[in-house]
Amino acid sequence: NAGVMQNPRHLVRRRGQEARLRCSPMKGHSHVYWYRQLPEEGLKFMVYLQKENIIDESGMPKERFSAEFPKEGPSILRIQQVVRGDSAAYFCASSPGQLYNEQFFGPGTRLTVL
Amino acid sequence: AQSVTQLGSHVSVSEGALVLLRCNYSSSVPPYLFWYVQYPNQGLQLLLKYTSAATLVKGINGFEAEFKKSETSFHLTKPSAHMSDAAEYFCAVERGYNKLIFGAGTRLAVHP
Repeated sequence: NAGVMQNPRHLVRRRGQEARLRCSPMKGHSHVYWYRQLPEEGLKFMVYLQKENIIDESGMPKERFSAEFPKEGPSILRIQQVVRGDSAAYFCASSPGQLYNEQFFGPGTRLTVL
Repeated sequence: AQSVTQLGSHVSVSEGALVLLRCNYSSSVPPYLFWYVQYPNQGLQLLLKYTSAATLVKGINGFEAEFKKSETSFHLTKPSAHMSDAAEYFCAVERGYNKLIFGAGTRLAVHP
């Protein structure tokens, strides 16, 4: 059973470009979480999604950031018009259900904005 | 609101020595608490979790943690450090819908 997959592992963008980060949850998991880790900091919750629904986006910046988890395919975290402050590691985690209190993390995508 | 404080951003121990990583939480309700380990350029791996059962929780790689409600603490320990334990360790509390609130992390160094 493959773990949580994230791609790309490394992404370099220039200021103003768009970044798309993909997350494929573990097989059988329908709940996805996105976290951001700034250098020398802990992980900060961004958004929690189920298939086709955003459950909690309280950690998402109000502008430029969006997330989706379509019926088919991976979850996507999209950052429009990236700025240098968006440089961070973005981690995806999945769980089989809301009441199952363990999340399985992917290896992360390291975004560098030049 | 729940939050997590990890005391000591860097801890250094000798190989074979006791490892003690401190975590204090604040929560208005009985919390679910977690310790995760992160190796360089990797994702997080669950070490152990407390979910209102036994207060002494045993995890992988010889780690354990004790939930102390009176002290609002959930410190991580390992009797004898190994070089392979060098990593960053994160304490986390669940805040509804499985949303995890992480501490800032403690980087553990193990020297010969």
